[in-house]
Amino acid sequence: GIQVEQSPPDLILQEGANSTLRCNFSDSVNNLQWFHQNPWGQLINLFYIPSGTKQNGRLSATTVATERYSLLYISSSQTTDSGVYFCAVISNFGNEKLTFGTGTRLTIIP
Amino acid sequence: DAGVIQSPRHEVTEMGQEVTLRCKPISGHDYLFWYRQTMMRGLELLIYFNNNVPIDDSGMPEDRFSAKMPNASFSTLKIQPSEPRDSAVYFCASSFGHSNQPQHFGDGTRLSIL
Repeated sequence: GIQVEQSPPDLILQEGANSTLRCNFSDSVNNLQWFHQNPWGQLINLFYIPSGTKQNGRLSATTVATERYSLLYISSSQTTDSGVYFCAVISNFGNEKLTFGTGTRLTIIP
Repeated sequence: DAGVIQSPRHEVTEMGQEVTLRCKPISGHDYLFWYRQTMMRGLELLIYFNNNVPIDDSGMPEDRFSAKMPNASFSTLKIQPSEPRDSAVYFCASSFGHSNQPQHFGDGTRLSIL
């Protein structure tokens, strides 16, 4: 099946800093989502972005489908941004299952 | 609009008991998914339905697990008998369409089997 790798696994930043999270995937995809799992365990939809660029406030994402990667940018980070960020994809081929990466744990220090 | 609604939020029960987790998908969505999240295995798909019909249950770990979707607005995931290794967070998600549409997740049920 498709492989999804996220980097870095852990990231600790001071409040106000910017960050870039990366997601690499091993096959062409027709679905790519970014999620934020907050400290209460809720999975929050950030972006549905199988290709192109989107922005929502301080967050933006870019997927370069031909090169099989996606980036999530967080600007002017706040303590509420802490949590685990997951990338999940569905391959164009195979079993149509949403496959999750292992996540990036982001900790924002006040 | 209401999102995906799961109940209960937390469940603690003793080994051997039957556990029933419930999910109400977003109105109008025709796909419903059950996921399990553990430290060891991360997030994994257990089963999914299209128009109330189970399509792929290959992720269901054992015969002790069963899922039903009697109508478009309700699904259950049952574990009978439960075991300590079933302890995990169980998520339900729904989407309108499948591969090329976003899935929306509920808040999850945190299950602890003692």
